[in-house]
Formats: sequence, C-alpha cells, structure tokens
Amino acid sequence: EAGVAQSPRYKIIEKRQSVAFWCNPISGHATLYWYQQILGQGPKLLIQFQNNGVVDDSQLPKDRFSAERLKGVDSTLKIQPAKLEDSAVYLCASSSDRVFRDGYTFGSGTRLTVV
Amino acid sequence: ELKVEQNPLFLSMQEGKNYTIYCNYSTTSDRLYWYRQDPGKSLESLFVLLSNGAVKQEGRLMASLDTKARLSTLHITAAVHDLSATYFCAVDNGGATNKLIFGTGTLLAVQP
Repeated sequence: EAGVAQSPRYKIIEKRQSVAFWCNPISGHATLYWYQQILGQGPKLLIQFQNNGVVDDSQLPKDRFSAERLKGVDSTLKIQPAKLEDSAVYLCASSSDRVFRDGYTFGSGTRLTVV
Repeated sequence: ELKVEQNPLFLSMQEGKNYTIYCNYSTTSDRLYWYRQDPGKSLESLFVLLSNGAVKQEGRLMASLDTKARLSTLHITAAVHDLSATYFCAVDNGGATNKLIFGTGTLLAVQP
C-alpha cells in the first residue's frame, strides 16, 4: 500500500513570498490533516478535512494560510505572504473510516525555510 | 481544549540503563499513540493504546495507558544508542471528528 505522498520535500523562500505544498493521501482515506511542526515542538493541527469539507480549521492563520481538498482526494496548503515564523515542517496525514483500527498515517513532510 | 504534556523534555541516559517518559493529558480519552521521530524524518508509529490498562511491548520499549489518571508511560529497558530520537505521545480527541493532539516531545540521547 502506498503511503501518504507529499511534495516538495524542501522549500526555501523569502519572506512575503508565497508557497504551496501538495499532499496525496492513502487511497480511500476520507480524512486528511495538515500539521505544522516548528523545530523543537510537537506537531500542531492546522486543518482537518473530511472528504472535501473542512471539519476543523480553528488553528489555521486564515489571513495568510489557505487549504483546499478538491474531489476529496489530493490537498494543497498555501501560505501567502510567508513570514519568518512560518519556517517549519508541514506534515500531511490521513485516516480511514476505521481510524480506531488503522490509526493515522503521516507523510514525510515538507521542510519550509523562510529567509 | 485537550492539552498533552510530556516529561521530561530532554533525557540523556547511558546505555544499559532504564528510564520512563511520562505523558499526561487534560481531558477524557481512551486512545493514545506513541511516535518516534528521527532528525529530519517523519513520524514512525510505535504503539497504539486503545483502552484503559492497555500495555504493549516492542523490543526494549513498553507503553501503558491509565485512562483514569489520564497518563501514559513509555518505559525504556536497557537503552541502546539506536533508541536515540524524539518521542511523541499523541491523544485522539475522540468525538465525531477524530484528530491527534501531540505532546511536546521528549528528546532522548543514549550515550555509549
């Protein structure tokens, strides 16, 4: 079974530029999550999708971050304009309807450096 | 709001020694996960604990869950250098919209 795919693996941008990350979850997984992990901290949930609807985006800085999940499969997370404090690893995860049995699967992440 | 705390934040230990990492959480949940993260890598699932009193062991690591105390422990037996990594606990918030809330992480350094 293929895992959660993310791209790019690394990205370096200047502050005030924009950037987008892509995630392809495990086939059939209805729920998709984006987490932000700042160096030395635990991952923090930014947004959760159920199919193509947003379930929780309470911690998403909506003035600069946006996310979408078209057709309930792939998802993109965008930052515009980026700030220095956005430097972090952005992890995508997915889960099935049987999350209690199958758990959560994480991608390899995208490491963003804002200079 | 569910909060998850781990201690210690940093643990330096010698090979062959035993130690325990603690994970406390603030609201009722009976599903807890332990992950390992190596530098520059993603999260590797170690244990899934799904009920009060659950205990799971894999090699030198053993995890347990006490839902009444809202406490999970990750016990390391006879540590080896290969166990050096950051360990996270994460609690499933339950309800209709399952999501993981992570602890602060414990950076484990096993010295030869």
